[in-house]
Amino acid sequence: AQTVTQSQPEMSVQEAETVTLSCTYDTSENNYYLFWYKQPPSRQMILVIRQEAYKQQNATENRFSVNFQKAAKSFSLKISDSQLGDTAMYFCAFKGGYQKVTFGIGTKLQVIP
Amino acid sequence: DGGITQSPKYLFRKEGQNVTLSCEQNLNHDAMYWYRQDPGQGLRLIYYSQIVNDFQKGDIAEGYSVSREKKESFPLTVTSAQKNPTAFYLCASSITSDPGETQYFGPGTRLLVL
Repeated sequence: AQTVTQSQPEMSVQEAETVTLSCTYDTSENNYYLFWYKQPPSRQMILVIRQEAYKQQNATENRFSVNFQKAAKSFSLKISDSQLGDTAMYFCAFKGGYQKVTFGIGTKLQVIP
Repeated sequence: DGGITQSPKYLFRKEGQNVTLSCEQNLNHDAMYWYRQDPGQGLRLIYYSQIVNDFQKGDIAEGYSVSREKKESFPLTVTSAQKNPTAFYLCASSITSDPGETQYFGPGTRLLVL
């Protein structure tokens, strides 16, 4: 079975600073997909970033980037120049083989003005 | 604008009552999903459907039922057999041809038991 672990229940960061959220996963699949989703206080889940395991290059979306370490089964999210609107729950998710998407329990990020 | 709508935003259930949560999408996605979200537990899959008139149980299907009569609609019924229904329910969809099954979510329904 595939599992996703987010070991940081809560984090905080000063506005304009950089923060990294951790995610590790366990799988026997060789090809798979990893995601970070954001759930702001409105509770509308939105996709932040997606990474295909077969791609060597780390995915980037504006201020959001990932550090994908396939051998270590690690998939961290870096948020640069943090903004107040980044305050949200962040969920790491995994999709491999015929299994459905598995989500971690989330990290609550607070951006402090 | 294309997207997923869920209604109602808040729903109250009395003991022994069945309630139905609505989920509609105009993204032309084939696959649809229902998740339950509880504090500290992330999202857990209840049911999913990859095509009209077909659906499969997820990890926590007991006490729930679904139907998929139209591509656009995937309603979830919380039955009286679900003993702890208080939670936030999220509907999602994805493109069947996407092997990663990127999830597109609705705004959610908060279900409370009276």
